[in-house]
Amino acid sequence: QVQLVESGGGVVQPGRSLRLSCAASGFTFSSYGMYWVRQAPGKGLEWVAIMSYDGKHKNLLDSVKGRFSVSRDNSKNTLSLQMNSLREEDTGVYFCARGRGAAPRFLDYWGQGTLVIVSS
Amino acid sequence: DIQMTQSPSSVSASVGDRVTITCRASQDVNNWLAWYQRKPGKAPNLLIYEASNLQRGVPSRFSGSGSGTDFTLTISSLQPEDSAMYYCQQASDFPRITFGQGTRVEI
Repeated sequence: QVQLVESGGGVVQPGRSLRLSCAASGFTFSSYGMYWVRQAPGKGLEWVAIMSYDGKHKNLLDSVKGRFSVSRDNSKNTLSLQMNSLREEDTGVYFCARGRGAAPRFLDYWGQGTLVIVSS
Repeated sequence: DIQMTQSPSSVSASVGDRVTITCRASQDVNNWLAWYQRKPGKAPNLLIYEASNLQRGVPSRFSGSGSGTDFTLTISSLQPEDSAMYYCQQASDFPRITFGQGTRVEI
């Protein structure tokens, strides 16, 4: 059974940092591209980051480039999102999700999310 | 970025009704379109991928159609457990995927 469990969310002041983690189980983690997607309060879903199955390729939303970084540890089945210089507009629920198939254009399993609140 | 626009923003229907949600892309996305369901406090759930393919385990009352810029999600016979938010997602501009703003389905 595929499971994705996010952790690391919380309340943080603008300009500070937070590191999110996603623990994966129930599938061969090293074979799948992985995503971070967020949802701000009252808003829709927004892609934040993607990392290829082997960690060699990654891409980030323009508004978080230079502030966020994505990484994975295939030996520990873990995906991470390091968030620096946080802004109030980064507030939201952050989901970890698995890319479907070899070309992971769609997200077939999601975690329940971890809440990040950036506020002074 | 490719913009995805869903309509209506919310729909209220009765059990057994046929419900249709539309999604329009700001440019041609071929059939690189998915639909997701999200219930409060739960993880989003992939329903349809590549515009019309039903994800494994999803009830057959859900179906998707369309290509290019106009797409439809249909629930053929609405059930109480279908009360949720529904989102479309384009994958033509992969990895810069984008989502619609969502449609609330109420029973």
